[in-house]
Amino acid sequence: GAGVSQTPSNKVTEKGKYVELRCDPISGHTALYWYRQSLGQGPEFLIYFQGTGAADDSGLPNDRFFAVRPEGSVSTLKIQRTERGDSAVYLCASSLALPGVYNEQFFGPGTRLTVL
Amino acid sequence: TQLLEQSPQFLSIQEGENLTVYCNSSSVFSSLQWYRQEPGEGPVLLVTVVTGGEVKKLKRLTFQFGDARKDSSLHITAAQPGDTGLYLCALRNNAGNMLTFGGGTRLMVKP
Repeated sequence: GAGVSQTPSNKVTEKGKYVELRCDPISGHTALYWYRQSLGQGPEFLIYFQGTGAADDSGLPNDRFFAVRPEGSVSTLKIQRTERGDSAVYLCASSLALPGVYNEQFFGPGTRLTVL
Repeated sequence: TQLLEQSPQFLSIQEGENLTVYCNSSSVFSSLQWYRQEPGEGPVLLVTVVTGGEVKKLKRLTFQFGDARKDSSLHITAAQPGDTGLYLCALRNNAGNMLTFGGGTRLMVKP
């Protein structure tokens, strides 16, 4: 079956520009997560959606970062006024949300963002 | 200070050799996960360890959770080039909706 897909796979932009990164979760997964992985590091949590709402956005580094999931499926991570330090691989993951059990997160291949 | 420290950061070995990588913290974990990430892909869950002293095996991979639940190790026997990748340990929060990863060990197995 189809896994998590992310588009584009690579994005090169200039400092100060606006970018949108898209995530298509596994069908039926109500939970969706965004992580950022800088070069040589492990992924860092950004935001978690349960359905359409952002249940935990404590990992967003500042107000230039915003994410939406208007219909509870596809999510878009939006970055305004990009900075060179935003360059990283942005990973999306999705999971079921069954109560009382651990719901494994399945990751997409990521979008590599390069800010020149 | 990173919550999870992984060592070594890099490891390059020949096919057929054995290796061990480590994940350590000053805090006690309720559980810990190991992932492998290949270039251009997202992390893939290998195992979850829950009980202090627990040992789990996945083919040539042996995962151990420390008795005090503050450390874990991954041992690979007779490494193969297909084992090449970034090995990450991770904690999940109590709600299970956030993973905190270590910095990873980048393994290269040369044929």
